[in-house]
Amino acid sequence: DQQVKQNSPSLSVQEGRISILNCDYTNSMFDYFLWYKKYPAEGPTFLISISSIKDKNEDGRFTVFLNKSAKHLSLHIVPSQPGDSAVYFCAAHRSGSARQLTFGSGTQLTVLP
Amino acid sequence: GAVVSQHPSRVICKSGTSVKIECRSLDFQATTMFWYRQFPKQSLMLMATSNEGSKATYEQGVEKDKFLINHASLTLSTLTVTSAHPEDSSFYICSAGFGHNEQFFGPGTRLTVL
Repeated sequence: DQQVKQNSPSLSVQEGRISILNCDYTNSMFDYFLWYKKYPAEGPTFLISISSIKDKNEDGRFTVFLNKSAKHLSLHIVPSQPGDSAVYFCAAHRSGSARQLTFGSGTQLTVLP
Repeated sequence: GAVVSQHPSRVICKSGTSVKIECRSLDFQATTMFWYRQFPKQSLMLMATSNEGSKATYEQGVEKDKFLINHASLTLSTLTVTSAHPEDSSFYICSAGFGHNEQFFGPGTRLTVL
């Protein structure tokens, strides 16, 4: 049972345009959400996070939106750059779970020059 | 951000041997570290939660006698794959808990068992 889902395995975007990566979850106990970026043969790099008490968090070119009623979150990257090309993982943390993370399956983002 | 290192970055071993992977938090103390496994083109699967000074908590389906975890200090956790077999070949990644909710990940270890 996949509790965190990223339904798009891949996404291609033109440089300078907006990239929107989506993530859905099923467990209403999740209270904290994170986005990680990962290159092949490397560990994930933390990008941005959001608490369930907020609906938006912004950090530079990255903005995460959370829609609790729809159990949906999205990561917006604008403007997209070729260096953003990587696999993006959505992860969720459940309250009281000692920070254990449940990951989505990832979305490969390719930013075309 | 906080830095987590892993050693070795890649290891090739013969079937039946044991392999130890180290995970260190370089500039902070981590009471909790996590071990993940990633198969090609798949997500990261949590294997176990490593707590300093106590036994690790393993996820369902992960053999604790196969994957030995030791968290001897606040900056070091080790994962030993005992009697490794080809099906244990994978990318192993550790992370260290930071603050209330963040985790910082190591660069991963590619294990290939011949």
